Amino acid sequence: DAGVIQSPRHEVTEMGQEVTLRCKPISGHNSLFWYRQTMMRGLELLIYFNNNVPIDDSGMPEDRFSAKMPNASFSTLKIQPSEPRDSAVYFCASSRSGASYNSPLHFGNGTRLTVT
Amino acid sequence: GENVEQHPSTLSVQEGDSAVIKCTYSDSASNYFPWYKQELGKRPQLIIDIRSNVGEKKDQRIAVTLNKTAKHFSLHITETQPEDSAVYFCAARGGSYIPTFGRGTSLIVHP
Repeated sequence: DAGVIQSPRHEVTEMGQEVTLRCKPISGHNSLFWYRQTMMRGLELLIYFNNNVPIDDSGMPEDRFSAKMPNASFSTLKIQPSEPRDSAVYFCASSRSGASYNSPLHFGNGTRLTVT
Repeated sequence: GENVEQHPSTLSVQEGDSAVIKCTYSDSASNYFPWYKQELGKRPQLIIDIRSNVGEKKDQRIAVTLNKTAKHFSLHITETQPEDSAVYFCAARGGSYIPTFGRGTSLIVHP
């Protein structure tokens, strides 16, 4: 089990550029979460997918942010155009979820985004 | 929605002392309570969890207690070591399957 795989690990870009973050969840996990972590706000949930369908995107800051999950093994988070205030560590996490149990989140190593 | 409060935000202890971190939650439907440890520059990792049908769970030096009536749960670390220094997050998860995280506790263990 390779765990949740995120790429890139680090991204430095200029304001106004498009940024795409990628995530491969653990095989067999049907829930996928994108989180943003900053010192000021802690861990913020951006969006939650279940069985590839976006269930809750109320945490997505604004229209500049979009997320997709075209299949069970891949998700992207896109920021267009990027702004300096988007600088943060972005984590992807996956878990199994069902009507009869809960299970822990498994986090990827994160993408540290710096927008200058 | 669920609201999770975590205290203290910073905890400083001497090596060998015990550390206790407390969380409260608001949604009585929450039934799963994991704790995560995040070392500097790394990802959060699960260290222990408890489900609502259990009042206490222990794993070596770590224990978690749950009081469903009062809607609070706590993490206890005994015989702390410098490598326990990290940020600890509690979370509560219920029928929506979306975990709500506390703001984190920065634990510093002085040698």
